[in-house]
Amino acid sequence: DGGITQSPKYLFRKEGQNVTLSCEQNLNHDAMYWYRQDPGQGLRLIYYSQIVNDFQKGDIAEGYSVSREKKESFPLTVTSAQKNPTAFYLCASSTQQGTEAFFGQGTRLTVV
Amino acid sequence: QQPVQSPQAVILREGEDAVINCSSSKALYSVHWYRQKHGEAPVFLMILLKGGEQKGHDKISASFNEKKQQSSLYLTASQLSYSGTYFCGTRAGGTSYGKLTFGQGTILTVHP
Repeated sequence: DGGITQSPKYLFRKEGQNVTLSCEQNLNHDAMYWYRQDPGQGLRLIYYSQIVNDFQKGDIAEGYSVSREKKESFPLTVTSAQKNPTAFYLCASSTQQGTEAFFGQGTRLTVV
Repeated sequence: QQPVQSPQAVILREGEDAVINCSSSKALYSVHWYRQKHGEAPVFLMILLKGGEQKGHDKISASFNEKKQQSSLYLTASQLSYSGTYFCGTRAGGTSYGKLTFGQGTILTVHP
């Protein structure tokens, strides 16, 4: 079955450590997105990519980095520069034609 | 810039109707509506393209006023299963691709 997979579902890290969240899709979608979800603030866009080897900053990119070396994969690294990294992170993908976005099940990151 | 949703929360009894609004300060190409249950991924409801069309299925429909850059989601004869957080997502500009930005969400609670 086609879909978008995020792993792991829960992640714990110590403050000051970088951590990478995985996002893989087999929908043959060109566009991929990373969102952060905090209570009362909705879905805020971190980074997005329209095509392999290209990506753009979203509204809250500071303290995060991404890569897009393969069409299927769009990993997100939460660096130690991110001041408040504890949140629910959602990855999504869509076609270039801008149709519906499909979401992964999310990764809940807790930094202690 | 995130689109603005209103109201922030709605409480209904089964069978009542609700309207959720979404507005943007930018010229929009498309508006997407999603529903998210607690701890789960957002699920796509419908997409509206510029042109002012109204879409719907079953008892959930939506409209898009291109001149005002506003969209409304209409839920009629609400059911318990309608409970969740509703998000509108927008693509600005004249193209079908680009950043997909979401509002802060509207929490809908349906009671028996």
